[in-house]
Amino acid sequence: QQQVRQSPQSLTVWEGETAILNCSYENSAFDYFPWYQQFPGEGPALLIAIRSVSDKKEDGGFTIFFNKREKNLSLHIKDSQPGDSATYFCAASVTGFASALTFGSGTKVIVLP
Amino acid sequence: EAAVTQSPRNKVAVTGGKVTLSCNQTNNHNNMYWYRQDTGHGLRLIHYSYGAGSTEKGDIPDGYKASRPSQENFSLILELATPSQTSVYFCASGELGGQDTQYFGPGTRLLVL
Repeated sequence: QQQVRQSPQSLTVWEGETAILNCSYENSAFDYFPWYQQFPGEGPALLIAIRSVSDKKEDGGFTIFFNKREKNLSLHIKDSQPGDSATYFCAASVTGFASALTFGSGTKVIVLP
Repeated sequence: EAAVTQSPRNKVAVTGGKVTLSCNQTNNHNNMYWYRQDTGHGLRLIHYSYGAGSTEKGDIPDGYKASRPSQENFSLILELATPSQTSVYFCASGELGGQDTQYFGPGTRLLVL
């Protein structure tokens, strides 16, 4: 059973457009949701994260919108640039020393110039 | 900046052979993780560790062992490699369970023939 689901699997946008990536989860106990960005041939790197006490988090051109009741969240990439072309992973965890991240399957974003 | 290195970067193994993947971190983080990445599955947690001498099973531990001989080093061992273990393996380190940034290595591409 996949606890964290992402859609779409891939997304192509033009430079300057807003890319919207979706994520939903099963476990109501999840309270921390980071998004990781991965370029080809590299390991993932933390992009932005939100805790369940918040409904929005912004960092530069990246914004997370979080809906606790619906158990979903989205990542908006505003004014997309070709350099934003990468695979984005939504992840989730439960507060506690023993917790580890559960990752979604990723969304591949291509930004065309 | 956080530094996680992995060796080898590429490995070809034969079915039934023993494979050891190594990871080193210079961040002095307590927690270390091993993931595998396959198309359509994102990153799946194999084993993790809270510190030297400890190893814990993740979501998909079958067919894998782990060893944490020191704070800096964390190894993943495939005693009897199978073609289904062909994948890209990532090591990561982090400070506070799933609630803090995980720093990933560059990955090891393993092909089991």
